[in-house]
Amino acid sequence: QQQVKQSPQSLIVQKGGISIINCAYENTAFDYFPWYQQFPGKGPALLIAIRPDVSEKKEGRFTISFNKSAKQFSLHIMDSQPGDSATYFCAARTISFNDYKLSFGAGTTVTVRA
Amino acid sequence: EAQVTQNPRYLITVTGKKLTVTCSQNMNHEYMSWYRQDPGLGLRQIYYSMNVEVTDKGDVPEGYKVSRKEKRNFPLILESPSPNQTSLYFCASMMGLGHLHFGNGTRLTVT
Repeated sequence: QQQVKQSPQSLIVQKGGISIINCAYENTAFDYFPWYQQFPGKGPALLIAIRPDVSEKKEGRFTISFNKSAKQFSLHIMDSQPGDSATYFCAARTISFNDYKLSFGAGTTVTVRA
Repeated sequence: EAQVTQNPRYLITVTGKKLTVTCSQNMNHEYMSWYRQDPGLGLRQIYYSMNVEVTDKGDVPEGYKVSRKEKRNFPLILESPSPNQTSLYFCASMMGLGHLHFGNGTRLTVT
């Protein structure tokens, strides 16, 4: 059972447009929410991350919006470029004594058309 | 260059033939983990290791074994592979409570 539900499964956007990927969770023990970007033939790499005491975090054209009460967070890619075409995974972390767990969403394949 | 190295990148095998996928990291990370990636299911954790000689099951450990005899290496062992283990496998490592560093994956096909 997926602890982090991600949508959509795929999306196509024109160059210069906005890509939006949504994630939802139930476990209130999650304390850290990273997004990973994966290009074909490569492993996922950290893109941007947010903690639940912050409602928004922006790094360049990438913004995470976080709604703690709704248990939802989303990734916005502004001014989407062909080089942004990749698979994006949201994730959520729990930590307990001597244990660490990162739960991933199912992934969203983003295609940016020139 | 700081990296996580997996070998082989591609592997085709037959049901029941034992195989090992190697993983090595050069960042002196304590935490290492194996994931499998399947369409529509995202990344699911197989096993993880908080430190040398300490390993624990993830979400989908059935049919897999791991060992952590030294900090840099964390091999994934399939004693008797089956077709449902056909997947894309990733090894990852992490220092402290930072973020995961992933290898470039091993695509395994079991016929």
